[in-house]
Amino acid sequence: EVQLVESGGGLVQPGGSLRLSCAASGFTFSTSSMNWVRQAPGTGLEWVSYISSGSSTIYYADSVKGRFTISRDNAKNSLYLQMNSLRDEDTAVYYCARFGGYSGRGWFDPWGQGTLVTVSS
Amino acid sequence: QSALTQPASVSGSPGQSITISCTGTRSDVGGYNYVSWYQQHPGKAPQLMISDVSNRPSGVSNRFSGSKSGNTASLTISGLQAEDEADYYCSSYTSSSTYVFGTGTKVTVL
Repeated sequence: EVQLVESGGGLVQPGGSLRLSCAASGFTFSTSSMNWVRQAPGTGLEWVSYISSGSSTIYYADSVKGRFTISRDNAKNSLYLQMNSLRDEDTAVYYCARFGGYSGRGWFDPWGQGTLVTVSS
Repeated sequence: QSALTQPASVSGSPGQSITISCTGTRSDVGGYNYVSWYQQHPGKAPQLMISDVSNRPSGVSNRFSGSKSGNTASLTISGLQAEDEADYYCSSYTSSSTYVFGTGTKVTVL
């Protein structure tokens, strides 16, 4: 069974840092591109970042560029999101999602259960 | 990148068909056939329903179908069932090599 399990969420003060992890199982992680997508409380989905299978191609949403860093460890079947200079508006449930498609064009499937990040003083 | 525009809510009676629209620009929906649709029940993670405008993944009911015309994509749910009550989001690849989601539509089964 394909499974994605996020962890690392929690309460952090504005300006602080947090590192999210996503543990993958049930598929060949090393050949799969991955994404982070977030959802602020009561609102819609927002794409955050994409990383190709070998980490050679990375994209970020403008809202997080320069503050967030996506990375992966294929030996550990894990995806990461390092979040620095956190702002109130970064408060959201963060989902990791496997990418389906080719050359960075496609869809997100499946999704993990999400981890909640709360930025507040 | 502005969110794609979806109606806030759509409703229908059991057995009826409903259509959810997703309007973007030539830089996203209109420029590429990489539109996907997701269903999200309260407190749950989103689930892929349609990929590449009209492809239905295995396991997804054939009551769900997708299409696109110009800058607007659409998701149609036929034979509406109580279990279809959820939030639905579209997503599109963009000319900036990023992704944008729609504003979301709450589907209510009357």
